[in-house]
This record gives sequence, C-alpha cells and structure tokens, in this order.
Amino acid sequence: DAGVIQSPRHEVTEMGQEVTLRCKLISGHNSLFWYRQTMMRGLELLIYFNNNVPIDDSGMPEDRFSAKMPNASFSTLKIQPSEPRDSAVYFCASSLASGGNFGQFFGPGTRLTVL
Amino acid sequence: DQQVKQNSPSLSVQEGRISILNCDYTNSMFDYFLWYKKYPAEGPTFLISISSIKDKNEDGRFTVFLNKSAKHLSLHIVPSQPGDSAVYFCAASGLTGNQFYFGTGTSLTVIP
Repeated sequence: DAGVIQSPRHEVTEMGQEVTLRCKLISGHNSLFWYRQTMMRGLELLIYFNNNVPIDDSGMPEDRFSAKMPNASFSTLKIQPSEPRDSAVYFCASSLASGGNFGQFFGPGTRLTVL
Repeated sequence: DQQVKQNSPSLSVQEGRISILNCDYTNSMFDYFLWYKKYPAEGPTFLISISSIKDKNEDGRFTVFLNKSAKHLSLHIVPSQPGDSAVYFCAASGLTGNQFYFGTGTSLTVIP
C-alpha cells in the first residue's frame, strides 16, 4: 500500500487566491483527519470524518476553510480566500477504526505558503 | 486550550545515553496515549502507545510510562541513537471516539 497520499507537496500562492489540498486515504480506512502544524500550536486538528461524514469541524479556523469527502477514499481541504496567516504544513491522516488504540497514518504533508 | 502539553521544545542527548521526553495532559477522560515521531519533510509516524489501564509499555529501545495521578507520561529511549533525532509528538484520545489531541512536539537531537 502506498500509504496516505497528499498533493501538492508544496503550494505557493498569493493572498486572496483559492487553495485546494488533496488527500487519498489508505484503502480500507474509514476515518480521515485534517491537521495543521504550526510552531506555536503543534498539530491542530481541523476536521475529521468517519465513514465520509464530518464528525467534528470545530477546529476549522474560519468559514474560509471547508473540507469535503466525496467518496470513501478521497478528501479535499479548500481555503478561499487564502491569507498569509494560513501558511503552515497541512497533514491528512487516516485510521482504520474508532477507539484510541489504533494509531493514525499520516501523509507527507502539504507545505502552504501564502504571500 | 492545549489539552496535551510538551513543555520542552528541544532536547539534546549524547549517543548511547537515555533520552526522556515528557508530556502532560489535562483531561482525565483520556484513555489512550500515543507517541509519534516525525522526520523533516515527512508526516508523523506512530511509535508506541499505552492504554490508561497500564503504567508502562515497552517496545525494544522505547518505553512509555504513564502516571495517571499526575496526568503525565514520558517516553524513554535507551540507548539513544543518531537516527532517533526527530520531532516527537505525544497525543491522547478518549474511548468514545478517535479524535486525537497532540502536543506541540519536542525536537530530539542525538549527538554522535
């Protein structure tokens, strides 16, 4: 299995532009998580889905952020319009089962720079 | 509000010595605790976990200790190797869901 796949790996854009980050889950996993990593706050959970349904989006910073899971294996995180403070590394992760003893498998991340 | 805290942003240890990484949490309802390791330009990878019903879990050179009364866990690496140099995140989750709360990470440098 190729693991969790994220694209693009790097994204540089200008303030006000729309940004779409993509994530492909590990086959068979049923939970999907979007995180943002910053120096000050570490790994922040933005939103997570279970069986394609958004369970908790309380970490989504503003209405400018939206996430979708159109099918069981794919998710997008969209920022519109983007701002310089959105610059961070965005990770998606997937897991097989609910319950805390199963670790999450992370993708390599997308480094977003908003100028 | 950070429910999981790693108060040491960095740690340097000589090769062959013990590395001790610490983590504190605030929510007594957490049931599982995990450590992740992250190399630059890669996503975090799962390292070791412990259930709240245990106070110690060992896997090779890695041991995690849990002190529930103090709401504290630690990761011991013995002996430390240069390849262990990475950022280590601790995380906690509750029994009812698979939402994880991560700390801010500790950057470990093992000096050859």
